[in-house]
Formats: sequence, C-alpha cells, structure tokens
Amino acid sequence: EAGVAQSPRYKIIEKRQSVAFWCNPISGHATLYWYQQILGQGPKLLIQFQNNGVVDDSQLPKDRFSAERLKGVDSTLKIQPAKLEDSAVYLCASSLGTAYNSPLHFGNGTRLTVT
Amino acid sequence: SQQGEEDPQALSIQEGENATMNCSYKTSINNLQWYRQNSGRGLVHLILIRSNEREKHSGRLRVTLDTSKKSSSLLITASRAADTASYFCASLNTNAGKSTFGDGTTLTVKP
Repeated sequence: EAGVAQSPRYKIIEKRQSVAFWCNPISGHATLYWYQQILGQGPKLLIQFQNNGVVDDSQLPKDRFSAERLKGVDSTLKIQPAKLEDSAVYLCASSLGTAYNSPLHFGNGTRLTVT
Repeated sequence: SQQGEEDPQALSIQEGENATMNCSYKTSINNLQWYRQNSGRGLVHLILIRSNEREKHSGRLRVTLDTSKKSSSLLITASRAADTASYFCASLNTNAGKSTFGDGTTLTVKP
C-alpha cells in the first residue's frame, strides 16, 4: 500500500511569513494526526482528526496555527505568522482506527526552518 | 513534561550485541507502542503491547511492560548496523485517549 505522503519536504521562510503543509494519508485511514518534532525531541501532537472532525487540538497554538481535513481525506496545516521557535519537522500520521487499536503510519515529514 | 521518557538518551554498541532501552510513563495507560525513526525519515511502528500483557516478541524485538512500575523495555537482540536509529515509546493515556511520545533513545550500532 502507498504510505503517507507529505509535501513539501523542506521549507525555509522568514519569521512573520506564512507557510502551509500538505498531507495525504493512507487510503481508508479514518484518523489523521499532525505532530511537531523539534530537533532532539519526540513528536508532540498538534491536532487529531477523525474523518473530517477534530478530536483533539488542545496543543495547537490556535493564534497562529490552523488545520483542516477536506472531505475526510487530505489535510493541510498552516502557520501564520511563523516564529523562530516554529522551526521543526512537521509529521503527518494516519491510522485505520483509533490509538486504542491501530498503530500510526507516519510520512517523512516537512522540515521547516524559520530565519 | 513528556508522558513517556526513554533511558538512556544515547546508546552505542557493537554489531551482534544486544541493546536494551527503557521507557517510563506517569499515568494509567491502555497500551504502549515502540517506534523507530531513521535520520530524516518518519517514525515506523515496531510493536504494540496492551496494558494486560507483560511481554511481546516480534522477530529480534522483545518488549516487556510492568504496569506496577509504569515502565517498559525494548530489547533488540543480535543487533545490526541497520538497527542504527532513534527509538521512541508512545504511551496511550487511558483517560485522555491519546498517545504521548518520549524524547527517544538514539542507538548506534558499529559494524
């Protein structure tokens, strides 16, 4: 099966600019996650979708980050305006069911550098 | 702080040796998962162990779970250079319903 696709692979922007990331999950996977991984740390959950509804966005900085999942398939994550501390790898993951019974399948991520 | 914390932060061994990594967590969990991440890539699921299980095997991997100590260990036997990667545990909090990752153990296997 095709894996989780993410683009772009790398992005360099200046602070206060905006940026968007795209994710195409594995076909049929109902749950989609966006994680932020800062260098040397583990992934931190930003937002979780079940189909096209938000399940958990408690750690999403909503003043600058937004995400949507169109028709329960593809998803985009946007940052506007970006700050230096947003430099990280943004990982998208999907799973067939919930975290109770389904492992997460990750894309290779988008590495964001904010200068 | 992270729900899961791995120990050690870094581990360097020779090919053929065994590697053991530990994970501690703070709250009641439903399951615990281990993932591997090669440099510049996404995480790959290795094994899931449920709270009512004590040990699980998959090929050269052996995972144990001790819910009384809130800890888990991942053992990789007969390590290979290709096992060089970062390893993360993710604990699924029973009440929150979401998995939280630790900061990982970086394993280097020297040929």
